[in-house]
Amino acid sequence: ETGVTQTPRHLVMGMTNKKSLKCEQHLGHNAMYWYKQSAKKPLELMFVYSLEERVENNSVPSRFSPECPNSSHLFLHLHTLQPEDSALYLCASSQDRGGALHGYTFGSGTRLTVV
Amino acid sequence: QKEVEQNSGPLSVPEGAIASLNCTYSDRGSQSFFWYRQYSGKSPELIMFIYSNGDKEDGRFTAQLNKASQYVSLLIRDSQPSDSATYLCAVNSNTGKLIFGQGTTLQVKP
Repeated sequence: ETGVTQTPRHLVMGMTNKKSLKCEQHLGHNAMYWYKQSAKKPLELMFVYSLEERVENNSVPSRFSPECPNSSHLFLHLHTLQPEDSALYLCASSQDRGGALHGYTFGSGTRLTVV
Repeated sequence: QKEVEQNSGPLSVPEGAIASLNCTYSDRGSQSFFWYRQYSGKSPELIMFIYSNGDKEDGRFTAQLNKASQYVSLLIRDSQPSDSATYLCAVNSNTGKLIFGQGTTLQVKP
């Protein structure tokens, strides 16, 4: 595996379900990010992790719970979601916190549909 | 004022023409500038970055930076239908993250 991999690629869940999104980066990067992208809308930053420490939480509802067990893995735990949470969820990583050196590398995303 | 502004488009150009995509930013301290391409339903892909004033060329792509005017642009020469996508401008901020514009949708018509 190379780059940033996200699983699953597609997820359909009911509003009472609990599911998790997984992200793994194989680049030796030190920072990881979760973004939400709704249809026809800009990227929304959700969480930032630097060296496994959460450094930013952009007022994300508590039904989204991130976890970063090590610098290569990032999870987004989902529970009691709403239909408006349906979106493309993107994981990204960067060599340096903030991505100023080389930008971000994005995973392929998880297309989430809440029914 | 948004931190990073792009015209959402769509920008429509005929095949073979030059497409010019523009981006302005508000933080004078920004030092790194990136262009991402995002096909519909896919994730953003980094295609160009620029740090210094002037032009940087890579194949059919040229990034242009003018820090005094807080302006960065992407030129695509000999546009192809496969260039049809949304182009995101991203700028580093002093808050330790990249700030993304809303993206410009480019349509290249055969």
